[in-house]
Amino acid sequence: QQQVKQSPQSLIVQKGGISIINCAYENTAFDYFPWYQQFPGKGPALLIAIRPDVSEKKEGRFTISFNKSAKQFSLHIMDSQPGDSATYFCAASKETSGSRLTFGEGTQLTVNP
Amino acid sequence: NAGVTQTPKFRILKIGQSMTLQCTQDMNHNYMYWYRQDPGMGLKLIYYSVGAGITDKGEVPNGYNVSRSTTEDFPLRLELAAPSQTSVYFCASSYSLAGDTDTQYFGPGTRLTVL
Repeated sequence: QQQVKQSPQSLIVQKGGISIINCAYENTAFDYFPWYQQFPGKGPALLIAIRPDVSEKKEGRFTISFNKSAKQFSLHIMDSQPGDSATYFCAASKETSGSRLTFGEGTQLTVNP
Repeated sequence: NAGVTQTPKFRILKIGQSMTLQCTQDMNHNYMYWYRQDPGMGLKLIYYSVGAGITDKGEVPNGYNVSRSTTEDFPLRLELAAPSQTSVYFCASSYSLAGDTDTQYFGPGTRLTVL
């Protein structure tokens, strides 16, 4: 009930390409869906987040698409750059749990020059 | 602001030893968290605290203990280290009002190996 499933586990993209990472959740009470970015040897950092009252949120080259009926959300990275190479985690939480996040398993993105 | 700091960065323990992982934040955040990160498993919540003197179990609390005597500090205690506790541990903090979800800020992590 609390799971968040993330795919793919790893992704290799050429510079300038589009990276797409998908997540699916089970708990319909979830109402906050952030994406965190983690570089090797560092802690995760918030990249972008969405709430279910909108279907899409864009910040620069990063876009979250949200499908409430399918209980899925995805991260799109346009014009992918080698500096985007990192591990990406989706997460979800519900307001009644405060800030408790349930994380996906992570996607290791490699952008080749 | 230093943000969230964790010590030590690395540690090797023998089975059965105990240790405390330290976590301090200087952002006056009320919520603090401990996660463990294992390859391919994402981050699992161990314990969290919504304020000084208040702690609660997360998803994987067995083998760990926490305390929160001040707003700034949230140490994690391993009493009898086991190989299954080999992991990277992250502390995080956030500021939340009335349970609203807010950004969590993570420390740099502690890499622990139990042999």
